[in-house]
Order: sequence, then structure tokens, then C-alpha cells
Amino acid sequence: GESVGLHLPTLSVQEGDNSIINCAYSNSASDYFIWYKQESGKGPQFIIDIRSNMDKRQGQRVTVLLNKTVKHLSLQIAATQPGDSAVYFCAGQGTGRRALTFGSGTRLQVQP
Amino acid sequence: DSGVTQTPKHLITATGQRVTLRCSPRSGDLSVYWYQQSLDQGLQFLIQYYNGEERAKGNILERFSAQQFPDLHSELNLSSLELGDSALYFCASSVGLGAYEQYFGPGTRLTVT
Repeated sequence: GESVGLHLPTLSVQEGDNSIINCAYSNSASDYFIWYKQESGKGPQFIIDIRSNMDKRQGQRVTVLLNKTVKHLSLQIAATQPGDSAVYFCAGQGTGRRALTFGSGTRLQVQP
Repeated sequence: DSGVTQTPKHLITATGQRVTLRCSPRSGDLSVYWYQQSLDQGLQFLIQYYNGEERAKGNILERFSAQQFPDLHSELNLSSLELGDSALYFCASSVGLGAYEQYFGPGTRLTVT
């Protein structure tokens, strides 16, 4: 089955810096990926998604990059703010599948 | 606010008991998904319903069951509860059958004592 994993459990950045959170996946048939942000005591919040026919997608202060060759995706957050402190999950869906497979999460800590 | 609602927010019960968790999807969404989040397992997919029918099953125990009603709200029933069932249970919804762009509710924290 598919597995989705993250490189680092915790990422600490200075306020104002850019953050990059990485994620690796194993199923080359995965055709859709999502990044979620989860704050303490809350449900995962949709940030941005990307389909496998794209290699980059931009949102407000966030960019997701997909490298299908090495089965890797990343979430870039520009000008990181204290409100960005949370756990970030990548999730993927294989072709024809109904469910998302979640990675273990990266905790982003923003230092003032 | 995702538009997905879940009740109750917290639930404390004893081993062997049965509980029901409730979820209302976003307006217009036909798919409802249930996930379990525990410290050692992360977010695990349990089951999906689409327009009242079960469409996908994940790592859902036989002691657990779910259903989706005509008004599209869904209930997750957990029975013969064990200590290891203590976790956060999330509901998510999406418009279509595929797991695209799922929006999560605030979750129900279940504590089994």
C-alpha cells in the first residue's frame, strides 16, 4: 500500500523567514496530494493541494512543489508568522482510491 | 471554520461501553470520511460514505460501524470500548466520491477509562 512520510519531526524557524516542509511518498501511482495544517486541539485545516499533472502550485504565501521523479513534495511558507506554528501533514491519494494516506506530520515552531 | 460539525467535542466513558459520534458535512458535500488520530498511529482512515452508501473501508475494527443518513449526516458507533480506542476522531467531507479536497471537522476526543 501507499505510505507517506516526512523527513523531519520538528522545524524551527525565525519569524519572517521562509519555511520548507518536506514529504516523501512511496506509491508512484499517487495522483493527488494535499497539505494540511493542524493547530493544537483543532481539526486538520486544508492549505493547498496539487495533482500529479502539475509540479508547482501557489496559494497565498504557500507553494507546493511536486517532484514525481524522486517521489517528493514540499510545502513552502513565505514570511513565516507566529500563527503558522502548527503541525503540518502531507496526504496522498492513489489512483482510484477513496481515502487519503497521511504522513506522520512536522511540527513547525516559529521563533519571534 | 470548515463547515463540518462534530458532536460531542469530548467524550469520557468506561471500557466495554458503546458510544456514538456524530458528524454533519459541509453543505453540498455528499462524501463523509471518518479518521482516527492517536499519538502512535497518526491519522488513520476508517471508512467513507457517499450519499448514504458505504464506499471505502480502511483500518476500521469490527467493533466500529458507521452510517450516513438521508440528510447526509453520519454517525460512527464504537462498541465494546477498550483503552486503546482513546483517540481523536475526525470527520471530513468532500463534494464527490474521490478523496479530493477533504474538509475536516473539529473532532471528538474520546477517552476510555
